[in-house]
Amino acid sequence: RKEVEQDPGPFNVPEGATVAFNCTYSNSASQSFFWYRQDCRKEPKLLMSVYSSGNEDGRFTAQLNRASQYISLLIRDSKLSDSATYLCVAPRRDNFNKFYFGSGTKLNVKP
Amino acid sequence: GAVVSQHPSRVICKSGTSVKIECRSLDFQATTMFWYRQFPKQSLMLMATSNEGSKATYEQGVEKDKFLINHASLTLSTLTVTSAHPEDSSFYICSARPRASGLTGELFFGEGSRLTVL
Repeated sequence: RKEVEQDPGPFNVPEGATVAFNCTYSNSASQSFFWYRQDCRKEPKLLMSVYSSGNEDGRFTAQLNRASQYISLLIRDSKLSDSATYLCVAPRRDNFNKFYFGSGTKLNVKP
Repeated sequence: GAVVSQHPSRVICKSGTSVKIECRSLDFQATTMFWYRQFPKQSLMLMATSNEGSKATYEQGVEKDKFLINHASLTLSTLTVTSAHPEDSSFYICSARPRASGLTGELFFGEGSRLTVL
């Protein structure tokens, strides 16, 4: 089993839709997670950090479900500019200073 | 947020040549920087951890003699791909975390360097 697994998508949604992605992780001891956004051929950029209490920032909400070992990202009122690949990131078992990156979930928001 | 600058953003070279990529933290000090590689439609894979003033630590399967890392100061790490071959063509990205943010703070990424070996 991969340390971090994501549905690669693509998720094709119309503008204004609400869309959610999940990411499962295998290390039950992980405490913090991140969602990064990566545009095509660009570097990843931090979208949100996710801790036990979850996190909300405008149209974006991230949640952590420890019992089922997954984190989620909810995007409300999707914009065309939200089209990107969303990477789930979790700390490594052997060194929490290092991270595993999921392969990403691709989102296409269409007019 | 913190800024990490990577140079060059794009490089094309002939097989057998060496290519150096620089990663700089512009507004913070980083005792540790990370080098990743990303092939098309795949995830970022950690290649090595660059440690200021000491040897880099490499991930399993990454040849340390092929990917030379130097972290000479708290703001600069370099990755040299020696004797590059077409299979080394990839997107190389560095990242760093400000010392003040602790070990679990967010990572800031350089803009990435797209290497094409002919």
